[in-house]
Amino acid sequence: AQSVAQPEDQVNVAEGNPLTVKCTYSVSGNPYLFWYVQYPNRGLQFLLKYITGDNLVKGSYGFEAEFNKSQTSFHLKKPSALVSDSALYFCAVRDRTGGFKTIFGAGTRLFVKA
Amino acid sequence: GAGVSQSPSNKVTEKGKDVELRCDPISGHTALYWYRQRLGQGLEFLIYFQGNSAPDKSGLPSDRFSAERTGESVSTLTIQRTQQEDSAVYLCASSPAPVTDTQYFGPGTRLTVL
Repeated sequence: AQSVAQPEDQVNVAEGNPLTVKCTYSVSGNPYLFWYVQYPNRGLQFLLKYITGDNLVKGSYGFEAEFNKSQTSFHLKKPSALVSDSALYFCAVRDRTGGFKTIFGAGTRLFVKA
Repeated sequence: GAGVSQSPSNKVTEKGKDVELRCDPISGHTALYWYRQRLGQGLEFLIYFQGNSAPDKSGLPSDRFSAERTGESVSTLTIQRTQQEDSAVYLCASSPAPVTDTQYFGPGTRLTVL
């Protein structure tokens, strides 16, 4: 069965510091991996995805994520956090060997302090 | 261009009543998904449409839930005999193609069952 774990309910970081939001996954086959962000009073927006190729994926707003097959992780990173990055972040996975179900993690709230 | 729209934005109903939620996907998007997001939780997959067929409806929680889609256009999610545990935000997403493509989310319908 597919599953996604976001072990931190909240991540606090000072503006200008690097940030990491963690995600680990479990699928029976090889995964498609996604990060989405939900800003207050706004809908879910796509940030980035890993399909194949380079393990380091670059996305919107300066975010990037690294696919690590051995650790089954897909952590979201940004070198320098902005207050405007404060939002709810969701990791999602789909098993490429079958099915169309995308499994989302419970979400991690990022709070960037000025 | 126009994004995914959902109506109503808010729906308050009494326990036992039926409700119908509507989703208008982005024009040309063949794939359409419904999710449920309970307060403070992640997204829960409900159903996936490819065109007007539903190859994956494994997430529908009970036979009180049903969904249909007209061609590659509007979809409706119907909940019969609503229960208090149905209270949640119901999100719709569309995608140009299934599996690897980005999902574009609507603003959601907040359902409250009294």
